[in-house]
Order: sequence, then C-alpha cells, then structure tokens
Amino acid sequence: GENVEQHPSTLSVQEGDSAVIKCTYSDSASNYFPWYKQELGKGPQLIIDIRSNVGEKKDQRIAVTLNKTAKHFSLHITETQPEDSAVYFCAASTSSQGNLIFGKGTKLSVKP
Amino acid sequence: EAGVAQSPRYKIIEKRQSVAFWCNPISGHATLYWYQQILGQGPKLLIQFQNNGVVDDSQLPKDRFSAERLKGVDSTLKIQPAKLEDSAVYLCASSFVRDTGELFFGEGSRLTVL
Repeated sequence: GENVEQHPSTLSVQEGDSAVIKCTYSDSASNYFPWYKQELGKGPQLIIDIRSNVGEKKDQRIAVTLNKTAKHFSLHITETQPEDSAVYFCAASTSSQGNLIFGKGTKLSVKP
Repeated sequence: EAGVAQSPRYKIIEKRQSVAFWCNPISGHATLYWYQQILGQGPKLLIQFQNNGVVDDSQLPKDRFSAERLKGVDSTLKIQPAKLEDSAVYLCASSFVRDTGELFFGEGSRLTVL
C-alpha cells in the first residue's frame, strides 16, 4: 500500500523567512496530493492541493511542487507569519482508493 | 455553512469499558470518514462510508471497533472493549466528492483510556 514520508518533523523559522516541507510517496499510482494545516485542538484543514497532471501550484504565499518521477512533493510558505504556526500534513491518494494516506506531520513554529 | 459536528469533545474511560462517538457531517456530503489520530502522527483512516454503505473498513479493528451510518447522515463510532492503545483523537470528516475531493474535518473527540 501507499506510504508517505514527511520531513522535517519540526521546523522553526523567523517571521518573514520561507519554510519548506518535503514529502515522498511510494505508490506511483497516486495522483492527488493535498496539504492540510492543523491548529491546536482543531481538525486538519485543506490549504492547497495538487494533482498529478500539474507540476506546480501557487496560492498567495503558499506553493506546492510535484516531481512524479522522483515521487516527491513539497510545500513552500513564503513571508511566514506567526499565524502560520501549526502542524502541517502532506497526504497522497489514488482515484481508485479515494482515501488519503497522511504523513506524520511537521510542526512549524514562526518566531516573531 | 455549518461544519462537521462531533461529540463528545473529550472522554476518559478505563480499559475494557466502552465508548461511542457521534458525528454529523456537512449537509449534502455523501461521503463520511472516521480517522484515528494518535499523538504525534498523521490521521489514519478507520472507515469510509458512501451514503449509508461501507466503502472501506480494511483498517478498522473489527473485534472491538464498530461504526454505522444508518440513514446516510449521522454516524456513530463505537469501541468495546477499549484498550490503552486506543487513546487518540477520533476525527470525523466528510466530503462532497468521493474520489480526491477536499475533506472537511470536525474538531475531533479526544479519548483517553486509563
């Protein structure tokens, strides 16, 4: 079955710096790669996603890149703000399965 | 629009006792999921419903866990008897589109088994 590895497990940056979180997946049939943000005591919330027919997608300060050959995808957050502090999860799924396999998460801390 | 509602938010029980969690998905969402999130890990799918039918329950420990969605709306997840390793947050999510659609998560039910 699918396995998703996520790095780093913790990341601390200064406000205004960029943050990058990387994930690898094992199942070459996976074609949907969302990123979820989870704040303390809340459920995960989708922040951006990318499908296998696209190499990069951007939404304001957030961007995701996908390398299908290498089976890895990354989340890029520019101009970080304290409110970006949270746990971020990458995930992967195939259309045939329909469910998401999550990575273990990255705790991002943005210091003012 | 109202989000996914879950209750109770917190529950503490002793091992071998039983517990039930309730979820009300977003109106109109046909697909409902129960995930288990152990501290420090990502959510893991337990069961997925499409309307009131089970789509995937391959990772549900069926000797102790059960779930139902009788009328295709609300769902209940039950654990009986509970083990120490069941301590986790149980997240309910719903989606409008079954395959590769955005999941909307509730705030979760935190279970502590002593």
